[in-house]
Amino acid sequence: DVVMTQSPLSLPVTLGQPASISCRSSQSLVHSDGNTYLSWFQQRPGHSPRRLIYKVSNRDSGVPDRFSGSGSGTDFTLKISRVEAEDVGLYYCLQSTQRPYTFGQGTKLEIK
Amino acid sequence: EVQLVESGGDLVQPGGSLRLSCAASGFSFSDHYMDWVRQTPGKGLEWVGQVRNKANSYFTQHAPSVKGRFTISRDDSKNSLYLQMNSLRTDDTAVYYCADLGAGPDYWGQGTRVTVSS
Repeated sequence: DVVMTQSPLSLPVTLGQPASISCRSSQSLVHSDGNTYLSWFQQRPGHSPRRLIYKVSNRDSGVPDRFSGSGSGTDFTLKISRVEAEDVGLYYCLQSTQRPYTFGQGTKLEIK
Repeated sequence: EVQLVESGGDLVQPGGSLRLSCAASGFSFSDHYMDWVRQTPGKGLEWVGQVRNKANSYFTQHAPSVKGRFTISRDDSKNSLYLQMNSLRTDDTAVYYCADLGAGPDYWGQGTRVTVSS
């Protein structure tokens, strides 16, 4: 199985400052079809997860442009250019290149 | 409006069984692969398994942790997804979500809580 390792697991950030979360996979996430199926999810307190980014760097509809994804192969990053209060919650990466799909452990973003 | 509504969560004893349902509306359910995902406080999100669509023979895959105990199925005539859970263990305690984790828009239900305890 592909192991997804996120860091940091806890991320205290000052409002208006940038934030970055790393996600590393134990194997390349490049699919035989040429795509890389790495997604990022946000889960606000008391809510279901919501996808922010799919296929490494594509923002979902309605996601603010302060969220961006990058990376390739086994190393991926989610960046928030300027953290806002509504960004508090858990963030997960997911690989869906290979079954079983696997999530990272989650990163808890909080406001300092 | 897209909706996924899970039901069937309950308190069950170890070794027991439970069937979860997920009612879908607002999108072409029959065209989509559908997934079950669970969330525990200690282990975060875990993919439970997936059922493909009719064009792909309703092929199912399950996570190693539930293989042989859980079975995913669907009824496209009812726009419904199911998770049959047998031989439940205490570490199956979680909130279970039905979801579409495919390449298109992602859909998630609100979750249903399963507690396995004596």
